[in-house]
Amino acid sequence: DIQMTQSPSSLSASLGDRVTIICRASQNIDKFLNWYQQKPGKAPKVLIYAASTLQSGTPSRFSGSGSGTEFTLTISSLQPEDFATYFCQQSFTTALFTFGPGTKVDIK
Amino acid sequence: QLQLQQSGPGLVKPSETLSLNCSVSGGSISSSNHFWGWIRQPPGKELEWIGNFYYSGDAYYNPSLKSRVTISVDMSKSQFSLRLDSVTAADTALYFCAGGGYASGSYESWGQGALVTVSS
Repeated sequence: DIQMTQSPSSLSASLGDRVTIICRASQNIDKFLNWYQQKPGKAPKVLIYAASTLQSGTPSRFSGSGSGTEFTLTISSLQPEDFATYFCQQSFTTALFTFGPGTKVDIK
Repeated sequence: QLQLQQSGPGLVKPSETLSLNCSVSGGSISSSNHFWGWIRQPPGKELEWIGNFYYSGDAYYNPSLKSRVTISVDMSKSQFSLRLDSVTAADTALYFCAGGGYASGSYESWGQGALVTVSS
């Protein structure tokens, strides 16, 4: 099974800050990596798919990079609506998707 | 834009079967462009992938749940379903249905979520 880890597990940041979240896979997943944003009590929303492609409607302050086993989600200038939990998810193996444990971004 | 609407009981007794439905609108459930999945999230915890159903008719499940779970599609009703047998308190969670895109490999559309509590 492919295991996903994320760091940090949580972070505190101020409006306008640049925020970086790292996701690592236990084996090579090429670019089959997606990023989701989830707010409390709500369904996740896909922000980025295939490691770096912005889903329609995702603000341009979000970007993704990486391939293989290490991936990064960056928010260039944190906005009030960005305070949420972010999950990565691998879709390399059709038969077994896995999510990362999440990174909670809150207000400093 | 796909819209997914979940339905099903919010309380299930231990050892019984959890059943949830997800109705799809705004697109065809029989489209080869999509796959259908279920994901759950115990209160305060991380997302857990339950399984996916594909256009080919193949279904894949989380190995930790595989012996108890079935995902099926009813094209005549434009809905897909989750069945989880022999539930315990550990199955208490917020359950989501989701529609995935073959091109992106991601879950592009989600249901509203349904909290299912396992308790006698």
